[in-house]
Amino acid sequence: SQQGEEDPQALSIQEGENATMNCSYKTSINNLQWYRQNSGRGLVHLILIRSNEREKHSGRLRVTLDTSKKSSSLLITASRAADTASYFCATEETSGSRLTFGEGTQLTVNP
Amino acid sequence: KAGVTQTPRYLIKTRGQQVTLSCSPISGHRSVSWYQQTPGQGLQFLFEYFSETQRNKGNFPGRFSGRQFSNSRSEMNVSTLELGDSALYLCASSLDWVGEKLFFGSGTQLSVL
Repeated sequence: SQQGEEDPQALSIQEGENATMNCSYKTSINNLQWYRQNSGRGLVHLILIRSNEREKHSGRLRVTLDTSKKSSSLLITASRAADTASYFCATEETSGSRLTFGEGTQLTVNP
Repeated sequence: KAGVTQTPRYLIKTRGQQVTLSCSPISGHRSVSWYQQTPGQGLQFLFEYFSETQRNKGNFPGRFSGRQFSNSRSEMNVSTLELGDSALYLCASSLDWVGEKLFFGSGTQLSVL
């Protein structure tokens, strides 16, 4: 079963707009990570936020974490066509035994 | 540094056959994890190896097995293939701990006919 659930499942926006994706999870975590996957390829790590952090930035990416609501959001600002990909959240549970991935959000950025 | 290398990139097998997939982690990484990705089930954790030992295992039948060698390279094997085993198999490595940032290979696309 999936620990994380992303919302929305699919998102289509115009270049230059911001894209926001949400992730909810069920159990206590050590950290939450976001990954990007281009069609049929491996995943690329974007950002890691620890359970004691509330917000983190990396370039055009902004991630927030609310452990009381067991949710996270990924904001991509000033999106580009090259941002078109699937985005996954992944959680390391406090048991620390594995990274569990959500089902992903398919982002399409139209030029 | 070279990235995570998975071979082969594509594989076509028939039901009942077995298959072995290979993964070479980033140099210095000791943890190797395997994931199965399908459109319906998303990314499912198969197992993780560290220093030649299986440290954690997902909920897959015994037909799925793996191993890790002393140079951290890993293989996974699927015996008695079923149609439902068709998937993208992804290998990921990290320095020491599975909860760290993972570096993924490009995957092996397995089709079972």
